[in-house]
Amino acid sequence: EDKVVQSPLSLVVHEGDTVTLNCSYEVTNFRSLLWYKQEKKAPTFLFMLTSSGIEKKSGRLSSILDKKELSSILNITATQTGDSAIYLCAVNDDYKLSFGAGTTVTVRA
Amino acid sequence: DAGVIQSPRHEVTEMGQEVTLRCKPISGHDYLFWYRQTMMRGLELLIYFNNNVPIDDSGMPEDRFSAKMPNASFSTLKIQPSEPRDSAVYFCASSFGGESSYNEQFFGPGTRLTVL
Repeated sequence: EDKVVQSPLSLVVHEGDTVTLNCSYEVTNFRSLLWYKQEKKAPTFLFMLTSSGIEKKSGRLSSILDKKELSSILNITATQTGDSAIYLCAVNDDYKLSFGAGTTVTVRA
Repeated sequence: DAGVIQSPRHEVTEMGQEVTLRCKPISGHDYLFWYRQTMMRGLELLIYFNNNVPIDDSGMPEDRFSAKMPNASFSTLKIQPSEPRDSAVYFCASSFGGESSYNEQFFGPGTRLTVL
């Protein structure tokens, strides 16, 4: 059975801090790893990482895929209160997404 | 593009009643997914379709749940009879498979279901 584990489950930081979120996976037929941000509604897409694209960056967010270690990290630098959300990691295994439980990030002013 | 459309956004019903959730995927997308999200179990895939055909329904909890996709622009998820433990947010998502296997799924706003 596919398995996606995220850590930590939650964390609280202050504005300006840097956070690092972790995701490890065990799947049968890895195609890609995706990061989503979920506030009070639907998950919204952040990044997709594949074997041919193991590092992505957008503004203060960046992500790296380590295919050898079967893991990924999501970094958020200079955090803002608007970064408060649940960050979900998902692994694409033959078009099916298996989600981790998510990391709840709370950024305090 | 309007994105994935779901209706209703909120549904409150009594135990034993039939519930039908609706989804309109993004035009041109050939994959459609139904998910359920709860605090206890997180986000779980229930079923997904490719070109209107159900491919994997192993996540459907039991026979009370059924899903259909009569055409490329419409899908339903039905619960009959509903039970309080079915209370959750149900998301529909769609994606484009294309030649590349690497695709992202776009989520609808979800339907918050409460079964009393």
